Amino acid sequence: EVFLLESGGGLVPPGGSLRLSCVGSGVAFGDFAMTWVRQTPGRGLEWVSSISHTASGSSRWYADSVKGRFTISRDTSKNTLYLQMNSLRAEDTAVYYCAKPISPPPDCFDSWGQGTLVTVSS
Amino acid sequence: VLLTQSPATLSVSPGERATISCRASHSSRTNLAWYQQKPGQAPRLLIYGASTRATGIPARFSGSGSGTEFTLTISSLQSEDFAVYYCQQYDDWPPTLTFGGGTKLEIK
Repeated sequence: EVFLLESGGGLVPPGGSLRLSCVGSGVAFGDFAMTWVRQTPGRGLEWVSSISHTASGSSRWYADSVKGRFTISRDTSKNTLYLQMNSLRAEDTAVYYCAKPISPPPDCFDSWGQGTLVTVSS
Repeated sequence: VLLTQSPATLSVSPGERATISCRASHSSRTNLAWYQQKPGQAPRLLIYGASTRATGIPARFSGSGSGTEFTLTISSLQSEDFAVYYCQQYDDWPPTLTFGGGTKLEIK
């Protein structure tokens, strides 16, 4: 059984930074395009970023809303996914989920963490 | 691809059938998934490939459609089925994945 656990959320002022982590068990992170998805009451579920499986060269993709500010990375030795978030804005306030796709490319997601809340406010 | 779900809220009695629609702004072929989400929980994958049930999903959940019109049907609602349902397309990958706005299924 796959288990994903996010951490690192919290309250940060506008312009600040946070790094989210997602540690997993029951899955080798290098074999799948691990992904961050966020959820807000107003905008629903929003794909944020994915990193491809290592066989595809670990390409990285970002939603336009976070491009240039967020960086996704992975440490396969620790089976951990990261999301470095810089220049945070109020609209980045959300619950951030780590998700595993059902097959190696990022398509749909059959395992999710419990989420970590990020609040951007002064 | 933009995804539009309807209705936004659906009131149905236990034991009855529920039908939720998801319309794509352009063809997603059959690259569409459905999720269920309960309060305080992460989304749970129900259907992928428009019509394939995910592991452990009861047979009362079914998906249909292709191109721009998709439907999630719950044949006989159980108490645990009252939740919010989302569709998601992955035909535009790369570089993007899109979710619908959600349909809240409530007890009538």
